[in-house]
Amino acid sequence: SVLLYQKPNRDICQSGTSLKIQCVADSQVVSMFWYQQFQEQSLMLMATANEGSEATYESGFTKDKFPISRPNLTFSTLTVNNARPGDSSIYFCSSNGQGSAEVFFGKGTRLTVV
Amino acid sequence: GDKVKQSPSALSLQEGTNSALRCNFSIAATTVQWFLQNPRGSLINLFYLVPGTKENGRLKSAFDSKESYSTLHIRDAQLEDSGTYFCAADSNTNKVVFGTGTRLQVLP
Repeated sequence: SVLLYQKPNRDICQSGTSLKIQCVADSQVVSMFWYQQFQEQSLMLMATANEGSEATYESGFTKDKFPISRPNLTFSTLTVNNARPGDSSIYFCSSNGQGSAEVFFGKGTRLTVV
Repeated sequence: GDKVKQSPSALSLQEGTNSALRCNFSIAATTVQWFLQNPRGSLINLFYLVPGTKENGRLKSAFDSKESYSTLHIRDAQLEDSGTYFCAADSNTNKVVFGTGTRLQVLP
C-alpha cells in the first residue's frame, strides 16, 4: 500500500484567487492521480500526474485551470487557478503504489470558494 | 451514461440486519475496488478484487468479470457502517472509474 498526505485539509479562498494543494507519498510511486468530488456526488478523475513531464488531463479539465506539477516520484501539486464558487469541492490525490493496481487516496482537500 | 452504476442509490438498514450492494459495469473491468467514504470524507479501502470473492469480517465481496458486476454484502450491520459506498473499476487503463455510490444509513 501507499500512504498519501495532502495539505491543506481544507481552505476557503476568494473568487479569482489561486490555491495550491500538495500531495506527498510515503514511498516512490510511478502514478499519481487527482480527483474532484462535488458534494453528494461521485469522484471524477481530473488528470494523471506524470513525473518530469506534463500531466495528462481528462475531458473537461485543462492545464490552464488546474496546473499540476510532479517534480519527483513522491510529490505532486494541484493548483486551482482563478477559483470560482463552482470549483468548491473536495480534491483528492491518489496512487496505486508499486507493482499493484490497487489505488489509495489521500484524505482530501475541501475547498470552498466564496 | 454512467460506466459504473451502483444500486441502490440509498439504503437504510436496521442495526443487525444484512444487505447487498451491487455495481454494474459497462466497461470491461479487470479489477474492482470497494471504498467506504465516511462522514468526514475520507475514503477507506475495503476490497481490491480480481474476478472472484473476498471476505473480511462482516463484509464479503464478489466480482464477476464475465457478467460485468460486483457485489458487496454487509452482514450484521453496525452504526459505524454508515457512509457512502463506492465501487471503482479499472479496465487495464491504469485509470480507476468510480461508480455512482450507495448512501447507507444504519439505524439503531
